[in-house]
Amino acid sequence: GNSVTQMEGPVTLSEEAFLTINCTYTATGYPSLFWYVQYPGEGLQLLLKATKADDKGSNKGFEATYRKETTSFHLEKGSVQVSDSAVYFCVTTYGNNRLAFGKGNQVVVIP
Amino acid sequence: EPEVTQTPSHQVTQMGQEVILRCVPISNHLYFYWYRQILGQKVEFLVSFYNNEISEKSEIFDDQFSVERPDGSNFTLKIRSTKLEDSAMYFCASSEELRNTGELFFGEGSRLTVL
Repeated sequence: GNSVTQMEGPVTLSEEAFLTINCTYTATGYPSLFWYVQYPGEGLQLLLKATKADDKGSNKGFEATYRKETTSFHLEKGSVQVSDSAVYFCVTTYGNNRLAFGKGNQVVVIP
Repeated sequence: EPEVTQTPSHQVTQMGQEVILRCVPISNHLYFYWYRQILGQKVEFLVSFYNNEISEKSEIFDDQFSVERPDGSNFTLKIRSTKLEDSAMYFCASSEELRNTGELFFGEGSRLTVL
């Protein structure tokens, strides 16, 4: 079935730094791709999505482009804030809203 | 803003005991899900539910698990006889559509610890 792989390990960076979290996918066909985020004490929430190749999803200053040639959907933000500290999950679908999650990356932004 | 709520936030139980995890989905949503995340592993799909019956379930969702919507607002996950390996964070989710939008609304999770 479809799956995603995220880069290993937590990410610690300073406020206003550039954030990249790598994600690659394995899929039959062209599934939709998502980034979900979990802020401390909250549920998982959809951050952005892309439904076809070359689509760019964006929200709250975050962006990710669905790249078929590299099977990637890397998450980027140009200037992070302390409030961006959270766990970020790369996600794809298989079946009816069955989500396949990556392991997640803890992002800690230091003032 | 409407949200999915889950109770309890943390439950500790002895192996072999029955556990019920409760969820209140967003009120106008029609599709409900349970996912779980064992510590250090990926979030995994357990089951989806629509119109008072299971739509899909994963191989994890064996006879020890059951779901129901007892009163039109709550959505529960029951584990009949817990095992150590059931220790995990359980997430409830709901959506307006079943079509593959991927837009699910999740609760904060219920952490289950089986001793």
